[in-house]
Amino acid sequence: QQQVKQSPQSLIVQKGGISIINCAYENTAFDYFPWYQQFPGKGPALLIAIRPDVSEKKEGRFTISFNKSAKQFSLHIMDSQPGDSATYFCAAVGGDDKIIFGKGTRLHILP
Amino acid sequence: GAGVSQSPSNKVTEKGKDVELRCDPISGHTALYWYRQSLGQGLEFLIYFQGNSAPDKSGLPSDRFSAERTGGSVSTLTIQRTQQEDSAVYLCASSLANRGLMNTEAFFGQGTRLTVV
Repeated sequence: QQQVKQSPQSLIVQKGGISIINCAYENTAFDYFPWYQQFPGKGPALLIAIRPDVSEKKEGRFTISFNKSAKQFSLHIMDSQPGDSATYFCAAVGGDDKIIFGKGTRLHILP
Repeated sequence: GAGVSQSPSNKVTEKGKDVELRCDPISGHTALYWYRQSLGQGLEFLIYFQGNSAPDKSGLPSDRFSAERTGGSVSTLTIQRTQQEDSAVYLCASSLANRGLMNTEAFFGQGTRLTVV
C-alpha cells in the first residue's frame, strides 16, 4: 500500500517558470509533511515542511500548499532556476516519527 | 563529525556473499532510519530505530536483511547471501525525532552504493 502518492514522476520547466509537484496521503494520523531535495550523488536534504494546522507555508521561492480535507499537499517553486534541477521527495510523518516518502519527482529546469 | 557518515561509500560484492553497511548518526540523535534507493527510484523504507524502543522492521524486504543499532548510536545493516536485485544505494538518516519539537528534520548520509555482480 503506497501511503504517499507523488506526481508527476518527471517535470521539465522553463527558467523563470513555476514548478508544481503534487502529493496525496491516506493516513490521517500523519501530522508533519516535509519536502526533501536530492542532487545526484548526494543524500536528500530538507527543503521545507508544513504541519496541517496551516494551509500554506512560504520560504523564499518555495511554497507548500496544504489541503487537509482533500489529504493533498503540493510544492510550488516560483521563478524556477537551473540550480533547482534535482529530485524532489514529499514525505509524511506520524506519531511514531517514521518518515514515509513519495516516489520522487525529477525536475529539470531549462536554461 | 558534523553529519551522518556512512561507510563504505561504494561496495562491489559477488552474488551470494554477505555485506555489512555502517552508519554513524549525528551525536544525540535518537532516531535512525535506513532507506534503499534503486536507480531512478524513490526512497524505500527499510527499518527505523527510535531510542530504546523495538525497531520498526516492517520495510525489510526479506529475512536476508537485518540491522542493529549498538548503544543507541552506530548502526549496521547486514545483507546475507546478496542477490543482484539488492544492488542499490542504501541511505541512512538520523533525527532528533522529539515530538516536542516543531522540526523533526532527518539528516541523510551520502549513502553506500552496493553493486552485486
